[in-house]
Amino acid sequence: GQQLNQSPQSMFIQEGEDVSMNCTSSSIFNTWLWYKQDPGEGPVLLIALYKAGELTSNGRLTAQFGITRKDSFLNISASIPSDVGIYFCAGQLSGNQFYFGTGTSLTVIP
Amino acid sequence: DTGVSQNPRHKITKRGQNVTFRCDPISEHNRLYWYRQTLGQGPEFLTYFQNEAQLEKSRLLSDRFSAERPKGSFSTLEIQRTEQGDSAMYLCASSLQEGPQHFGDGTRLSIL
Repeated sequence: GQQLNQSPQSMFIQEGEDVSMNCTSSSIFNTWLWYKQDPGEGPVLLIALYKAGELTSNGRLTAQFGITRKDSFLNISASIPSDVGIYFCAGQLSGNQFYFGTGTSLTVIP
Repeated sequence: DTGVSQNPRHKITKRGQNVTFRCDPISEHNRLYWYRQTLGQGPEFLTYFQNEAQLEKSRLLSDRFSAERPKGSFSTLEIQRTEQGDSAMYLCASSLQEGPQHFGDGTRLSIL
């Protein structure tokens, strides 16, 4: 299957700091999604991106669909303790299958 | 709650037994997906349905796995003759056409 590389693999930050993570692929994707997953629960959709260059915000979260269509970025501003979790990117080629990255684990230190 | 619902949340079974999981999608969603997730990994696609038709299956879906969506609403995923390697979280997601997928909380399968 397609390989999506997420970085960093894990992050430990102080409450109030901004966070940046990204997802890259060797393939061109038509859609990028960002999810957050808490332990024992399913992934929750944060942001969906449909066009190259698109920049979309959801509260303190901002995500961008890379111009090359091979990458996407997620930023979290002014982190709070409830931002803790694993963040996954997912990309869709033509067709219906989404490919997920291996996740970025975020720890926020109060 | 109008989200995706999965049952059971946890299943512990002995190797060799058959297990069946159920997924109830968001009611207006015509597409339903099954994924498998192991520790430290992202979800891996298994199969998807558009209404009652199973349109795509991953190579991960061996002969022991079968999924159905008989009336285009809920779906079941059955694993026959379970093996140790089947231990994982099985996630269901639904979407409206090619829109973003919304996930349930999964069924965690443990094989003894």
